[in-house]
Amino acid sequence: GEDVEQSLFLSVREGDSSVINCTYTDSSSTYLYWYKQEPGAGLQLLTYIFSNMDMKQDQRLTVLLNKKDKHLSLRIADTQTGDSAIYFCAERDGDTGFQKLVFGTGTRLLVSP
Amino acid sequence: EPEVTQTPSHQVTQMGQEVILRCVPISNHLYFYWYRQILGQKVEFLVSFYNNEISEKSEIFDDQFSVERPDGSNFTLKIRSTKLEDSAMYFCASSERQGSGNQPQHFGDGTRLSIL
Repeated sequence: GEDVEQSLFLSVREGDSSVINCTYTDSSSTYLYWYKQEPGAGLQLLTYIFSNMDMKQDQRLTVLLNKKDKHLSLRIADTQTGDSAIYFCAERDGDTGFQKLVFGTGTRLLVSP
Repeated sequence: EPEVTQTPSHQVTQMGQEVILRCVPISNHLYFYWYRQILGQKVEFLVSFYNNEISEKSEIFDDQFSVERPDGSNFTLKIRSTKLEDSAMYFCASSERQGSGNQPQHFGDGTRLSIL
């Protein structure tokens, strides 16, 4: 079945860039998503990328997709303490017309002042 | 901005009891989902629902589970005869439509279910 993997933990200083990486196995993935989870809260959709794109920029967020290597990354520029959260990569199952999401383990981002 | 709301935020239930988790999806959305996240594990898909029937379910979603849209606004997950291993955070999500194109799923804040 599909699998999505992420590193578990990333620590950066305020003002630095953060890069969160994700790998996936489903070659038929159509859309890939990044969700953010703050403590005690739900999953907030941050951004997404269609599988025929290799880059998408949205304000401080840049998503890079290497479809050949099945590698997705999320870069956060000028990281702030408010960006501290768990970031989930998710891929949409492309094998069916439905929209089941397969999630990674989540990367806990800690931003220190 | 419209959002998905879930109640209760925390549910504590004795093992063997039935529990109903409630969700109010975004009002113009047509597709509804339940996911769960056992502590320390990945968020896992349980079921998707459209037009008053299940459109897809995972192997986790066995006869112990059922979903219902009892009225025009609520979407519920019922777990019968709960077990200790049902303890998890349960997330409801909704999307406007499915099929081609991007229809992102919007998630609620979750219900933390604790089975004693």
